[in-house]
Amino acid sequence: EDQVTQSPEALRLQEGESSSLNCSYTVSGLRGLFWYRQDPGKGPEFLFTLYSAGEEKEKERLKATLTKKESFLHITAPKPEDSATYLCAALRPNDMRFGAGTRLTVKP
Amino acid sequence: NAGVTQTPKFQVLKTGQSMTLQCAQDMNHNSMYWYRQDPGMGLRLIYYSASEGTTDKGEVPNGYNVSRLNKREFSLRLESAAPSQTSVYFCASRRQDLISPLHFGNGTRLTVT
Repeated sequence: EDQVTQSPEALRLQEGESSSLNCSYTVSGLRGLFWYRQDPGKGPEFLFTLYSAGEEKEKERLKATLTKKESFLHITAPKPEDSATYLCAALRPNDMRFGAGTRLTVKP
Repeated sequence: NAGVTQTPKFQVLKTGQSMTLQCAQDMNHNSMYWYRQDPGMGLRLIYYSASEGTTDKGEVPNGYNVSRLNKREFSLRLESAAPSQTSVYFCASRRQDLISPLHFGNGTRLTVT
């Protein structure tokens, strides 16, 4: 059965303390791997799409990478406004399968 | 540009009551989706509509029905609400090409007592 697993469930960082979030996947017919950011009380907001192993995408302090089994979201020198839940999702032929998310808290 | 609009934002139902969650998008997207989000379980697909006139079951369709009213609107109906349907419901839309992302509304928080 297709699975998308994110770790850790929660991560607390000090401002400026870089770290990485993991998304491991087992999905048949994978069309792409997506990262979203979700703030409390809001819907997920699209960040990145990765299509093939070795691909990297960057946006401000975030960089997403993809291998054949995993994707990482690297956060460099985070700020308190980066606090949110980060979701990864695997696009299958007919739908998108989501992981449970990593809740990131960045303390000033 | 509103994107994806969901109504209502909050709803409390008693067991056995029915209700319809409304969703509309103004991005001219062909495909629309209903997800539910529960703590620790992520977003799970209830139903989707790949294009106007078609609907298909997702991962957790039991207890729900959907209607694709037109290209813009996709509604989700609970015929007889159960406490297990307490959740946050998200509508999303996307273009029909293979690689476009989902665009989400801000959700409906439903409590069934």
